[in-house]
Amino acid sequence: TQLLEQSPQFLSIQEGENLTVYCNSSSVFSSLQWYRQEPGEGPVLLVTVVTGGEVKKLKRLTFQFGDARKDSSLHITAAQPGDTGLYLCAAPPGGTSYGKLTFGQGTILTVHP
Amino acid sequence: GAVVSQHPSWVICKSGTSVKIECRSLDFQATTMFWYRQFPKQSLMLMATSNEGSKATYEQGVEKDKFLINHASLTLSTLTVTSAHPEDSSFYICSARGIPFSGANVLTFGAGSRLTVL
Repeated sequence: TQLLEQSPQFLSIQEGENLTVYCNSSSVFSSLQWYRQEPGEGPVLLVTVVTGGEVKKLKRLTFQFGDARKDSSLHITAAQPGDTGLYLCAAPPGGTSYGKLTFGQGTILTVHP
Repeated sequence: GAVVSQHPSWVICKSGTSVKIECRSLDFQATTMFWYRQFPKQSLMLMATSNEGSKATYEQGVEKDKFLINHASLTLSTLTVTSAHPEDSSFYICSARGIPFSGANVLTFGAGSRLTVL
Protein backbone atom coordinates (compact mmCIF):
# COMPACT_ATOMS: atom_id res chain seq x y z
CA THR A 1 0.00 0.00 0.00
CA GLN A 2 1.40 3.37 -1.01
CA LEU A 3 0.77 5.81 1.80
CA LEU A 4 0.63 9.56 1.69
CA GLU A 5 1.70 11.11 4.97
CA GLN A 6 0.19 14.53 5.40
CA SER A 7 1.22 17.04 8.06
CA PRO A 8 0.20 18.76 10.13
CA GLN A 9 -3.19 17.18 10.76
CA PHE A 10 -4.56 20.31 12.40
CA LEU A 11 -3.61 23.94 11.89
CA SER A 12 -5.21 26.88 13.64
CA ILE A 13 -3.88 30.30 12.68
CA GLN A 14 -4.80 33.97 12.61
CA GLU A 15 -5.84 35.81 9.50
CA GLY A 16 -2.82 37.12 7.62
CA GLU A 17 -0.40 34.38 8.66
CA ASN A 18 1.38 32.09 6.25
CA LEU A 19 1.29 28.30 6.42
CA THR A 20 2.64 25.22 4.71
CA VAL A 21 1.11 21.77 4.48
CA TYR A 22 3.26 18.80 3.56
CA CYS A 23 2.49 15.56 1.78
CA ASN A 24 5.18 12.89 1.84
CA SER A 25 5.58 9.34 0.61
CA SER A 26 8.27 6.75 0.05
CA SER A 27 6.72 6.01 -3.35
CA VAL A 28 7.16 7.82 -6.63
CA PHE A 29 3.98 9.15 -8.19
CA SER A 30 3.22 9.99 -11.78
CA SER A 31 1.11 12.89 -10.55
CA LEU A 32 -0.26 14.35 -7.35
CA GLN A 33 -3.36 16.37 -6.66
CA TRP A 34 -4.45 18.76 -3.94
CA TYR A 35 -8.09 19.09 -2.94
CA ARG A 36 -10.02 21.33 -0.58
CA GLN A 37 -13.14 20.07 1.11
CA GLU A 38 -15.72 21.96 3.13
CA PRO A 39 -18.01 20.25 5.68
CA GLY A 40 -20.84 18.34 4.03
CA GLU A 41 -19.37 18.75 0.55
CA GLY A 42 -17.26 16.68 -1.77
CA PRO A 43 -13.59 17.52 -2.36
CA VAL A 44 -12.83 20.15 -4.96
CA LEU A 45 -9.69 19.88 -7.05
CA LEU A 46 -7.22 22.73 -6.57
CA VAL A 47 -4.29 21.59 -8.68
CA THR A 48 -2.55 18.65 -10.33
CA VAL A 49 1.24 18.52 -10.42
CA VAL A 50 2.98 16.17 -12.79
CA THR A 51 6.61 17.14 -13.31
CA GLY A 52 9.28 16.76 -10.62
CA GLY A 53 10.19 20.19 -9.24
CA GLU A 54 7.06 21.74 -10.68
CA VAL A 55 5.65 24.83 -8.97
CA LYS A 56 2.09 26.01 -9.56
CA LYS A 57 0.41 29.07 -8.17
CA LEU A 58 -3.27 29.65 -7.61
CA LYS A 59 -3.71 33.18 -6.23
CA ARG A 60 -2.29 32.97 -2.68
CA LEU A 61 -1.70 29.23 -2.89
CA THR A 62 1.62 27.81 -4.09
CA PHE A 63 1.99 24.11 -4.82
CA GLN A 64 5.28 22.33 -5.30
CA PHE A 65 6.03 18.80 -6.45
CA GLY A 66 9.30 17.35 -5.17
CA ASP A 67 12.12 16.71 -7.61
CA ALA A 68 11.81 12.97 -7.02
CA ARG A 69 8.00 13.09 -7.27
CA LYS A 70 7.64 11.58 -3.79
CA ASP A 71 6.45 14.64 -1.93
CA SER A 72 4.57 17.87 -2.33
CA SER A 73 3.77 21.01 -0.39
CA LEU A 74 1.00 23.56 -0.29
CA HIS A 75 1.87 27.05 0.91
CA ILE A 76 -0.77 29.65 1.64
CA THR A 77 0.26 33.28 1.92
CA ALA A 78 -1.72 35.71 4.07
CA ALA A 79 -4.39 33.19 5.00
CA GLN A 80 -7.99 34.35 5.14
CA PRO A 81 -11.02 32.90 7.00
CA GLY A 82 -12.33 31.73 3.65
CA ASP A 83 -9.35 29.38 3.39
CA THR A 84 -10.72 27.35 6.29
CA GLY A 85 -11.34 23.73 5.31
CA LEU A 86 -9.91 20.27 4.96
CA TYR A 87 -6.97 20.08 2.59
CA LEU A 88 -6.18 16.71 1.04
CA CYS A 89 -3.36 15.50 -1.12
CA ALA A 90 -4.07 12.52 -3.35
CA ALA A 91 -2.24 10.42 -5.87
CA PRO A 92 -2.95 7.41 -8.05
CA PRO A 93 -1.47 4.21 -6.61
CA GLY A 94 1.16 2.73 -8.88
CA GLY A 95 -0.11 0.82 -11.87
CA THR A 96 -3.75 1.73 -11.37
CA SER A 97 -6.13 3.38 -13.73
CA TYR A 98 -6.67 7.08 -13.96
CA GLY A 99 -9.09 8.27 -11.35
CA LYS A 100 -8.38 5.78 -8.56
CA LEU A 101 -6.82 7.85 -5.81
CA THR A 102 -5.12 7.32 -2.48
CA PHE A 103 -5.69 10.24 -0.15
CA GLY A 104 -3.49 11.63 2.59
CA GLN A 105 -4.92 11.90 6.10
CA GLY A 106 -5.88 15.51 5.49
CA THR A 107 -5.08 18.81 7.17
CA ILE A 108 -7.87 20.66 8.92
CA LEU A 109 -7.10 24.35 8.58
CA THR A 110 -8.90 26.97 10.65
CA VAL A 111 -8.18 30.62 9.98
CA HIS A 112 -9.46 32.96 12.68
CA PRO A 113 -10.46 36.51 11.78
CA GLY B 1 -17.84 21.86 -16.48
CA ALA B 2 -18.44 18.23 -15.60
CA VAL B 3 -20.96 17.75 -12.81
CA VAL B 4 -21.64 14.75 -10.61
CA SER B 5 -24.84 14.64 -8.62
CA GLN B 6 -25.37 12.49 -5.56
CA HIS B 7 -28.74 11.69 -4.07
CA PRO B 8 -29.82 11.80 -1.35
CA SER B 9 -27.50 14.34 0.24
CA TRP B 10 -28.44 13.01 3.64
CA VAL B 11 -30.49 10.10 4.90
CA ILE B 12 -31.48 8.74 8.29
CA CYS B 13 -32.60 5.14 8.57
CA LYS B 14 -33.33 2.50 11.16
CA SER B 15 -30.90 -0.26 11.93
CA GLY B 16 -31.50 -3.29 9.73
CA THR B 17 -32.87 -1.43 6.75
CA SER B 18 -31.17 -0.93 3.39
CA VAL B 19 -30.30 2.43 1.88
CA LYS B 20 -29.54 3.25 -1.75
CA ILE B 21 -27.33 6.17 -2.78
CA GLU B 22 -27.24 7.34 -6.39
CA CYS B 23 -24.34 8.93 -8.24
CA ARG B 24 -25.11 10.52 -11.60
CA SER B 25 -22.88 12.20 -14.14
CA LEU B 26 -24.98 15.03 -15.52
CA ASP B 27 -23.12 16.17 -18.61
CA PHE B 28 -20.74 13.38 -19.47
CA GLN B 29 -20.58 9.65 -19.73
CA ALA B 30 -18.81 8.12 -16.77
CA THR B 31 -17.09 4.92 -17.77
CA THR B 32 -15.81 4.46 -14.23
CA MET B 33 -17.10 5.59 -10.89
CA PHE B 34 -15.37 5.37 -7.53
CA TRP B 35 -17.04 5.13 -4.14
CA TYR B 36 -15.35 6.55 -1.05
CA ARG B 37 -16.22 6.58 2.61
CA GLN B 38 -15.27 9.37 5.00
CA PHE B 39 -15.58 9.53 8.78
CA PRO B 40 -15.78 12.91 10.55
CA LYS B 41 -12.56 14.91 10.30
CA GLN B 42 -10.85 12.06 8.49
CA SER B 43 -9.72 11.45 4.96
CA LEU B 44 -11.45 9.59 2.15
CA MET B 45 -11.06 5.83 1.96
CA LEU B 46 -11.70 4.15 -1.37
CA MET B 47 -14.32 1.43 -1.08
CA ALA B 48 -14.75 0.21 -4.63
CA THR B 49 -14.31 0.92 -8.31
CA SER B 50 -17.37 0.60 -10.49
CA ASN B 51 -17.18 0.05 -14.24
CA GLU B 52 -20.23 0.33 -16.43
CA GLY B 53 -21.64 -3.05 -17.32
CA SER B 54 -19.34 -5.12 -15.12
CA LYS B 55 -18.94 -6.10 -11.50
CA ALA B 56 -17.41 -3.63 -9.11
CA THR B 57 -13.90 -4.13 -7.75
CA TYR B 58 -13.81 -3.82 -3.98
CA GLU B 59 -10.88 -2.69 -1.87
CA GLN B 60 -9.48 -5.01 0.76
CA GLY B 61 -11.63 -5.12 3.84
CA VAL B 62 -14.80 -3.84 2.17
CA GLU B 63 -17.67 -6.34 2.26
CA LYS B 64 -19.15 -6.64 -1.21
CA ASP B 65 -22.35 -8.22 0.14
CA LYS B 66 -22.75 -5.33 2.55
CA PHE B 67 -22.10 -2.56 0.05
CA LEU B 68 -23.78 -3.46 -3.22
CA ILE B 69 -22.67 -1.42 -6.22
CA ASN B 70 -24.47 -1.32 -9.53
CA HIS B 71 -23.28 0.65 -12.58
CA ALA B 72 -25.99 -0.16 -15.07
CA SER B 73 -25.54 2.84 -17.34
CA LEU B 74 -22.87 5.32 -18.35
CA THR B 75 -24.44 8.01 -16.21
CA LEU B 76 -25.55 6.20 -13.08
CA SER B 77 -23.95 4.14 -10.34
CA THR B 78 -25.69 3.15 -7.14
CA LEU B 79 -24.36 2.10 -3.74
CA THR B 80 -26.74 0.14 -1.54
CA VAL B 81 -25.86 -0.28 2.12
CA THR B 82 -27.67 -3.47 3.09
CA SER B 83 -28.89 -4.22 6.60
CA ALA B 84 -27.39 -1.00 7.83
CA HIS B 85 -26.04 -0.69 11.36
CA PRO B 86 -24.95 2.37 13.34
CA GLU B 87 -21.29 1.69 12.47
CA ASP B 88 -22.19 2.19 8.81
CA SER B 89 -23.02 5.81 9.56
CA SER B 90 -20.64 7.86 7.47
CA PHE B 91 -20.23 10.31 4.62
CA TYR B 92 -20.23 8.47 1.29
CA ILE B 93 -18.73 10.22 -1.73
CA CYS B 94 -18.59 9.15 -5.34
CA SER B 95 -16.32 10.34 -8.10
CA ALA B 96 -16.75 9.78 -11.79
CA ARG B 97 -14.24 9.49 -14.59
CA GLY B 98 -15.25 10.14 -18.15
CA ILE B 99 -15.05 12.30 -21.20
CA PRO B 100 -17.44 15.21 -21.50
CA PHE B 101 -18.26 16.90 -24.72
CA SER B 102 -15.16 19.05 -24.33
CA GLY B 103 -13.10 15.96 -24.96
CA ALA B 104 -10.66 15.94 -22.04
CA ASN B 105 -10.52 13.31 -19.33
CA VAL B 106 -12.26 14.48 -16.19
CA LEU B 107 -12.47 13.20 -12.66
CA THR B 108 -15.26 14.85 -10.72
CA PHE B 109 -16.49 14.32 -7.18
CA GLY B 110 -20.07 14.38 -6.01
CA ALA B 111 -21.14 16.45 -3.02
CA GLY B 112 -21.47 13.38 -0.83
CA SER B 113 -24.27 11.61 1.00
CA ARG B 114 -24.48 11.66 4.80
CA LEU B 115 -25.89 8.39 6.16
CA THR B 116 -27.01 8.15 9.77
CA VAL B 117 -28.20 4.78 11.03
CA LEU B 118 -30.19 4.86 14.25
